[in-house]
Amino acid sequence: TQLLKQSPQFLSIQEGENLTVYCNSSSVFSSLQWYRQEPGEGPVLLVTVVTGGEVKKLKRLTFQFGDARKDSSLHITAAQPGDTGLYLCAGGRGWGGSQGNLIFGKGTKLSVKP
Amino acid sequence: EAGVVQSPRYKIIEKKQPVAFWCNPISGHNTLYWYLQNLGQGPELLIRYENEEAVDDSQLPKDRFSAERLKGVDSTLKIQPAELGDSAVYLCASSLRATGSYNEQFFGPGTRLTVL
Repeated sequence: TQLLKQSPQFLSIQEGENLTVYCNSSSVFSSLQWYRQEPGEGPVLLVTVVTGGEVKKLKRLTFQFGDARKDSSLHITAAQPGDTGLYLCAGGRGWGGSQGNLIFGKGTKLSVKP
Repeated sequence: EAGVVQSPRYKIIEKKQPVAFWCNPISGHNTLYWYLQNLGQGPELLIRYENEEAVDDSQLPKDRFSAERLKGVDSTLKIQPAELGDSAVYLCASSLRATGSYNEQFFGPGTRLTVL
């Protein structure tokens, strides 16, 4: 059973285009994190969203947590080749200071061509 | 501040041989994780430590995998004997368990294992 489903699985676009990737689940999470992973490296945390409906912006990246805390999206404006990588979402179920494990999706592999 | 350190970065062995991976987490991080990542997939948790205690090893194949974190700092993951299907990247991550934090994890670069 895939608790966190990411779509699309692969995305290849030209520099300057906009894109959105999705992370969906039937389960509720206390937090949702987005990571980016480049080849040969470990994932690097981009953002953590914790409130239903929350929107966070990080330069050209906009992250949204669904109202019901079951899904999230990542929107990139004017993509650049440096955005290329594997984007992973991870759901947390820790509540009240008790930290559980993160559940990772399978990722969206993004390729931005110059 | 130094990040999570893993060694070796690459390892090639023949099947049935033993192999060990080492991880040194970020200083002060009390939680340490070992993940397995297959090509193009997300990380899958193998084991989680809180200090020196393994608090979740439910996904660790205990017939051939073992791990230790004796002094609550660095950790070793071992496979004995390795099988062809163990070829993957083994990631180590650490986090600071603290009030108000949401388990943000910091990953090492991983060890890429190839079993021939």
